Amino acid sequence: GAVVSQHPSRVICKSGTSVKIECRSLDFQATTMFWYRQFPKQSLMLMATSNEGSKATYEQGVEKDKFLINHASLTLSTLTVTSAHPEDSSFYICSAREGPGLAGPEQYFGPGTRLTVT
Amino acid sequence: AQSVAQPEDQVNVAEGNPLTVKCTYSVSGNPYLFWYVQYPNRGLQFLLKYITGDNLVKGSYGFEAEFNKSQTSFHLKKPSALVSDSALYFCAVRTGYSSASKIIFGSGTRLSIRP
Repeated sequence: GAVVSQHPSRVICKSGTSVKIECRSLDFQATTMFWYRQFPKQSLMLMATSNEGSKATYEQGVEKDKFLINHASLTLSTLTVTSAHPEDSSFYICSAREGPGLAGPEQYFGPGTRLTVT
Repeated sequence: AQSVAQPEDQVNVAEGNPLTVKCTYSVSGNPYLFWYVQYPNRGLQFLLKYITGDNLVKGSYGFEAEFNKSQTSFHLKKPSALVSDSALYFCAVRTGYSSASKIIFGSGTRLSIRP
């Protein structure tokens, strides 16, 4: 199946700094990418949906100015956590979807990025 | 709104016994349902999905799920559990078929298989 990668896999940053997480679709073009957040022992919560070349659509309660999402190409989306605080510490998982369709498009998930803000 | 519910936070099964992880759904229209598994500090692994067709869906690692429209359920099953099946399992629903649709996850069920 298709592969989605994330970089870095783990990051530790100081409170007040910004950190960027990359999500790449390695062998397909992702027209749509999704960012999820997972707190320990909890489910994945959808943060935002991004389509290549357009602004991301954020879920209710997600601060768009804090979680900047850029989907500049069909294989790359980035999530930047700005002015990070300890409560932003979480496991961030991206997901990428191929073009439209019924049986497709399949949605593939990255391995996740563990963010720890100290 | 589309949603899935996993009523059990934890399921404990002895190795070799059959296992069931429950999921019920609430959707408008035809459901598009998934099961994923997550191992500690890892991303999600796709197990199986139901779009249409046979109510019994077979997936990876010997898992299967039964779609039951009258009970609005999509329970995950395996005839004989392995210790290595111990992980966090998520039921999920896709909110439609268009490019604007999203995958929404249930709360997760931790499966523990004892030797």
